[in-house]
Amino acid sequence: DAKTTQPNSMESNEEEPVHLPCNHSTISGTDYIHWYRQLPSQGPEYVIHGLTSNVNNRMASLAIAEDRKSSTLILHRATLRDAAVYYCIRNAGNNRKLIWGLGTSLAVNP
Amino acid sequence: DAGVIQSPRHEVTEMGQEVTLRCKPISGHDYLFWYRQTMMRGLELLIYFNNNVPIDDSGMPEDRFSAKMPNASFSTLKIQPSEPRDSAVYFCASSLFGTGNEKLFFGSGTQLSVL
Repeated sequence: DAKTTQPNSMESNEEEPVHLPCNHSTISGTDYIHWYRQLPSQGPEYVIHGLTSNVNNRMASLAIAEDRKSSTLILHRATLRDAAVYYCIRNAGNNRKLIWGLGTSLAVNP
Repeated sequence: DAGVIQSPRHEVTEMGQEVTLRCKPISGHDYLFWYRQTMMRGLELLIYFNNNVPIDDSGMPEDRFSAKMPNASFSTLKIQPSEPRDSAVYFCASSLFGTGNEKLFFGSGTQLSVL
């Protein structure tokens, strides 16, 4: 199965770091791991992606396990605007067909 | 760039009517995707195009659904006849170069309600 496994929901406090886990135990060696997020009433937006090495950008960091069977999206300081559904996605053989799960709904408390 | 533009933002129609959803991708992008989102099934890929040519329509649920991309700046998703179970949010997304690891840029979606 090409879908990943994520917790249904998580909660964080404002200005604290958030670690969003994702399991992709059946990932193949050439599949990238993508993260998107969806704010209420909006389309998904790209957050970050990676293959083997940890990745950083202005939005977040992506930590990929050495065996690549799991990864963690890290928001270094959560803000109220980070409240969204976060999707962890892997390629499904055909690189154009990203298979989306139901994601993790992140609530951020003030 | 204005991003991916979808219209209408909301559509309410009666069962049996034809519905046409529209999408303008980001200029220069060579891939266009149509997705459907429901609470139960999440985001589902319906069809995608590369350089205006349909590549994979295996996600299109039935013959009632059809999609076209007459040029690089416009695509439509048509449902005829519409049914209540088609009620969902439909998203269009575009990307560049199709390396497989490119970013997808999504529109704001069309909220479709079929009564």
